[in-house]
Amino acid sequence: GAGVSQTPSNKVTEKGKYVELRCDPISGHTALYWYRQSLGQGPEFLIYFQGTGAADDSGLPNDRFFAVRPEGSVSTLKIQRTERGDSAVYLCASSSSSSDTQYFGPGTRLTVL
Amino acid sequence: DQQVKQNSPSLSVQEGRISILNCDYTNSMFDYFLWYKKYPAEGPTFLISISSIKDKNEDGRFTVFLNKSAKHLSLHIVPSQPGDSAVYFCAAIDRGSTLGRLYFGRGTQLTVWP
Repeated sequence: GAGVSQTPSNKVTEKGKYVELRCDPISGHTALYWYRQSLGQGPEFLIYFQGTGAADDSGLPNDRFFAVRPEGSVSTLKIQRTERGDSAVYLCASSSSSSDTQYFGPGTRLTVL
Repeated sequence: DQQVKQNSPSLSVQEGRISILNCDYTNSMFDYFLWYKKYPAEGPTFLISISSIKDKNEDGRFTVFLNKSAKHLSLHIVPSQPGDSAVYFCAAIDRGSTLGRLYFGRGTQLTVWP
């Protein structure tokens, strides 16, 4: 079956702009996660959705970051007033429950100029 | 603070030999551990996992060992193949929290040369 998909694969934007990153999880997976991977680092947790609700958003670095999952499937990560430090690969993962293996998408590489 | 540590950023092994990748953790609440493999421009791919109630899990050429008292785990690949060349991430989770957050190490770049 289809895996986790993310669009766009690459996004280049200017400092101060707004961006949206999309994640389409594996069909039927109720748990969805966003992680951010900076150069030379492992993925770092941002937010976890169980169904439509954000069960844990404690990893979001500040209030410029926001994510939604209105119908319990596709999720969008939104970043306002982007900064150069936001440049990273944003990874999405899904699992059938919070205690099961997470499967990752290919990521979106965000570059803020 | 880094709760999962991979202290070797790189490892180079000859084809056919054993690759041993190491991982240490600090949080005693972690009860499930995973290894992911990552190729350039791709997302991490799940490789193998182990529960804290076990000390070994094997899947083909891949074996993960867990030493809870030392808070240490290792991934053994035997025999190593050039296609195994990738970045390997160790990850841990506290499943009792029900929040599902994975904590990752910084990764080890494995290079298997012919």
